[in-house]
Amino acid sequence: NAGVTQTPKFQVLKTGQSMTLQCAQDMNHNSMYWYRQDPGMGLRLIYYSASEGTTDKGEVPNGYNVSRLNKREFSLRLESAAPSQTSVYFCASRWGTEAFFGQGTRLTVV
Amino acid sequence: DAKTTQPPSMDCAEGRAANLPCNHSTISGNEYVYWYRQIHSQGPQYIIHGLKNNETNEMASLIITEDRKSSTLILPHATLRDTAVYYCIVCPRDDKIIFGKGTRLHILP
Repeated sequence: NAGVTQTPKFQVLKTGQSMTLQCAQDMNHNSMYWYRQDPGMGLRLIYYSASEGTTDKGEVPNGYNVSRLNKREFSLRLESAAPSQTSVYFCASRWGTEAFFGQGTRLTVV
Repeated sequence: DAKTTQPPSMDCAEGRAANLPCNHSTISGNEYVYWYRQIHSQGPQYIIHGLKNNETNEMASLIITEDRKSSTLILPHATLRDTAVYYCIVCPRDDKIIFGKGTRLHILP
């Protein structure tokens, strides 16, 4: 039972490049989340998915797109990366009460 | 915006009880109180949650005031491994989880 798995763990992008952060959970959870955490700050919600096929904007959605094609996977796409998107990205899943978080993707945009 | 207010930092001596307060004066009837913690730069970890009644599990106890406008997380015997940022969150079940700034807890040897 792996829980929530994020790939990649580390990534360096050049300004303007695109990439997709992958997240998969094996707990059959309905809800999935993407957060970003800047140095010394708390987590900010980017997008949220209450169930397969549905997505909703969070606190800081600009510059990101998401896809929830099936119950297991929730991907986050940066179409044109900017230095302001340098951050640690966390994915989480939840059903009911407790949310489980992945170990994060450390993204640097130069 | 986060619906909770927490002190930015607290100290606690190792072996003593750590009591972390949280104010949530605008909490709605269907909203639960959740506590998570984040150790260093790992993903947050669930600790405990409650609606109206006090709750206890193997990690901590949660005391919610009768009017539900504030709560306290209690770590009964703090260890160095409890050094972390603790987040108090209020939200309905299965809804968006919005984090605030949390409390940075330092356990002193």
